[in-house]
Amino acid sequence: EPEVTQTPSHQVTQMGQEVILRCVPISNHLYFYWYRQILGQKVEFLVSFYNNEISEKSEIFDDQFSVERPDGSNFTLKIRSTKLEDSAMYFCASSVNKETQYFGPGTRLLVL
Amino acid sequence: QKEVEQNSGPLSVPEGAIASLNCTYSDRGSQSFFWYRQYSGKSPELIMFIYSNGDKEDGRFTAQLNKASQYVSLLIRDSQPSDSATYLCAVNLFSGAGSYQLTFGKGTKLSVIP
Repeated sequence: EPEVTQTPSHQVTQMGQEVILRCVPISNHLYFYWYRQILGQKVEFLVSFYNNEISEKSEIFDDQFSVERPDGSNFTLKIRSTKLEDSAMYFCASSVNKETQYFGPGTRLLVL
Repeated sequence: QKEVEQNSGPLSVPEGAIASLNCTYSDRGSQSFFWYRQYSGKSPELIMFIYSNGDKEDGRFTAQLNKASQYVSLLIRDSQPSDSATYLCAVNLFSGAGSYQLTFGKGTKLSVIP
């Protein structure tokens, strides 16, 4: 059964450093998403991406964040200058239509 | 402000019993409704989705939707210890910008006691 994959599974970085989180969505899916979940809190929407552009972004997704689909398979989230409060699980999701979203296993980001 | 509310639990049920999980949402424009299961430290796993008022059954799971009351529920029949997890209710609202975004509740922690 096809699934969303994410790398790395864990990332530790120093405050102020740039990180890139990578995702490979399910191959025939057209809509891509990033969510985050701070420990003990709810899953929060960050950004959606369709047809090589951002469809929508939340208030969390400020100028420090960017997304890219550099080739036909990868979907990346970049945080330019990490802050302590960026420590969270980051989930990539994809959907074939605009509805049912399937989540990857997540990247646990720790900013020191 | 779109809100999805769930009792955080924990909800404890004996093995073999029916577990009932509830969710309310604030935005009447919400169009589709999802239940995800999340084991500790893992990602959300889709269990069911429902779009229309009424019941939808899939194996041991039944989702119920009442749009007039803005209420969604999930019933798990013959609960098993492996069902012990946090259950996330998520609501999908077409943003008008060409995509949907899921708004999640905080989740209800279910514990099935052997």
